[in-house]
Amino acid sequence: DQQVKQNSPSLSVQEGRISILNCDYTNSMFDYFLWYKKYPAEGPTFLISISSIKDKNEDGRFTVFLNKSAKHLSLHIVPSQPGDSAVYFCAASDSGTYKYIFGTGTRLKVLA
Amino acid sequence: EAQVTQNPRYLITVTGKKLTVTCSQNMNHEYMSWYRQDPGLGLRQIYYSMNVEVTDKGDVPEGYKVSRKEKRNFPLILESPSPNQTSLYFCASSLDGGRYEQYFGPGTRLTVT
Repeated sequence: DQQVKQNSPSLSVQEGRISILNCDYTNSMFDYFLWYKKYPAEGPTFLISISSIKDKNEDGRFTVFLNKSAKHLSLHIVPSQPGDSAVYFCAASDSGTYKYIFGTGTRLKVLA
Repeated sequence: EAQVTQNPRYLITVTGKKLTVTCSQNMNHEYMSWYRQDPGLGLRQIYYSMNVEVTDKGDVPEGYKVSRKEKRNFPLILESPSPNQTSLYFCASSLDGGRYEQYFGPGTRLTVT
């Protein structure tokens, strides 16, 4: 049973526009959420995170929104740049168990 | 430079031949973890370690062993590899588990024939 789901395997966006990547989860015990970016032939790199006590966190062009009642989070990238083209993974953790559960990833392509 | 290193980066082996993938971090992190990445399945946690001599199973531990005898090292052992363990493996470390971002190694592509 997939506890963290990224239902869009891929997304294409024009340079300069907004990219919105979505993630849904089922386990209400998750209290920390993270987004990672992965380029080919490299390991994932951390982008941004959010605690379950917040509903929004911003870092430059990246904003993560958390809707706990809907068990949904989203990553907004504004403005999108060609260098943002990568696979994006969302991850969730229950800080009591030390486990991390990752989604299946969304491949973002930003068109110049 | 703060980093997580893995060796080897690529490995082709045969069924049943024991192998070890090494992982080392130089950030004095308490938490280390192994993942495998497969098409359509994302990253799945194999094992994790909260500290020296403290390890626990992730979601897909079958067929793998780990040990954490030193803080910086966390090797992944496949005692009798099988073709279904053909995958891309990542080691990661973080300051602590659960509420901190993880730093990932570059990956090890393993093929078991």
